Amino acid sequence: QVQLVQSGAEVKKPEASVKVSCKASGYTFTDHVMHWVRQAPGQRLEWMGWINAGNGNTKYSQKFQGRITITKDRSASTAYMELRSLRSEDTAVYFCARDPGYSSSWYYFDYWGQGTLVSVSS
Amino acid sequence: DIQMTQSPSTLSASVGDRVTITCRASQSINNWLAWYQQKPGKAPKLLIYMASSLESGVPSRFSGSGSGTEFTLTISSLQPDDFATYYCQQYNIYSTFGQGTKVEIK
Repeated sequence: QVQLVQSGAEVKKPEASVKVSCKASGYTFTDHVMHWVRQAPGQRLEWMGWINAGNGNTKYSQKFQGRITITKDRSASTAYMELRSLRSEDTAVYFCARDPGYSSSWYYFDYWGQGTLVSVSS
Repeated sequence: DIQMTQSPSTLSASVGDRVTITCRASQSINNWLAWYQQKPGKAPKLLIYMASSLESGVPSRFSGSGSGTEFTLTISSLQPDDFATYYCQQYNIYSTFGQGTKVEIK
């Protein structure tokens, strides 16, 4: 069965960076796009960007452009999301989520990781 | 950005009730709409995509309808497991979510 397992909670200081991992299993990793979505406390879900796990192409929300990098390790079936220059408003649960499209993005999500809490505080 | 607005924000209902949640888009999104269920401390779960297509494994008491700018999620007979927060998501242009509708026990 499809599983997305994310790395553990992080506590960071303002201006630091965080890198969250998402290990996929149960399907061919390179067949699907992987997205990253975050949810700040009490807030709606917010799409951040995606990576095509096959060819490595990426697309980022304009809100995070310049601060985010999504990468992948094909051999480890793992996607990564790095967010830089953290501020308190970045405190949120970060999810990876699989796109059901084959080698292209539909922009909706059929499987989700369990979420990684990133706390930003001085 | 396309804005998504759900109503109501909170809904109190009893087991067995028919429940309807509305989602409005700030511009036409055709049928590019999904619905998710989220329970506290858990990831969202896909229920409906393409406005009315039921995701595999999702009970048939869930249904979606609408097109253009107005959409609804209906739960035909509310079950104890259905008390949760529901989000709509447009994916016509990138992706944006509604603010959520919490379905709570009356």
